[in-house]
Amino acid sequence: AQKITQTQPGMFVQEKEAVTLDCTYDTSDPSYGLFWYKQPSSGEMIFLIYQGSYDQQNATEGRYSLNFQKARKSANLVISASQLGDSAMYFCAMREANRDDKIIFGKGTRLHILP
Amino acid sequence: DTGVSQDPRHKITKRGQNVTFRCDPISEHNRLYWYRQTLGQGPEFLTYFQNEAQLEKSRLLSDRFSAERPKGSFSTLEIQRTEQGDSAMYLCASSRQGDWEKLFFGSGTQLSVL
Repeated sequence: AQKITQTQPGMFVQEKEAVTLDCTYDTSDPSYGLFWYKQPSSGEMIFLIYQGSYDQQNATEGRYSLNFQKARKSANLVISASQLGDSAMYFCAMREANRDDKIIFGKGTRLHILP
Repeated sequence: DTGVSQDPRHKITKRGQNVTFRCDPISEHNRLYWYRQTLGQGPEFLTYFQNEAQLEKSRLLSDRFSAERPKGSFSTLEIQRTEQGDSAMYLCASSRQGDWEKLFFGSGTQLSVL
């Protein structure tokens, strides 16, 4: 069964606008972690943000924030004031506490920032 | 901290040949992971090491694949008798104990099997 679902294969956003990348997940484990990674054209995966399932507040890292809605099993990434350098593939990922060695990734969303 | 480095960046080989990739993790990171990424997909877990011990292997890792991390530092991933279906980006990542959620990835090795 698919664990991570990213329904937006591609998105086009005007520079300086905020953008929300969708991610839903499936797990029966009460303890889990959610991640977002960025993959520019160079190929390197860059860690952006992490949210633990027991964290009370939504995670934030600079212009990145994770909109965590536990009941909906949703972990959307919000990028504020988008920049041209934000153009990349974005992957949502999850690890389950009983499988803490393995992080599984969604299929990704390609984000294009338009000047 | 020079980051995770992988060598080579690109490898083109003929079907049936053996190939070996190398990964040098960040020096103080004791966990090292191998992932495979095909076009249009997210990375898929292959295997991981804690120090020199290989603790988990995915079902994706057939008998033709072998990974080692002999001294708990660099790691090698060997594919024997390559097949066209092995064509993919092979990504290495490392993480530090106590902060292992944050994986640091290398730029990957792009394998093309002709």
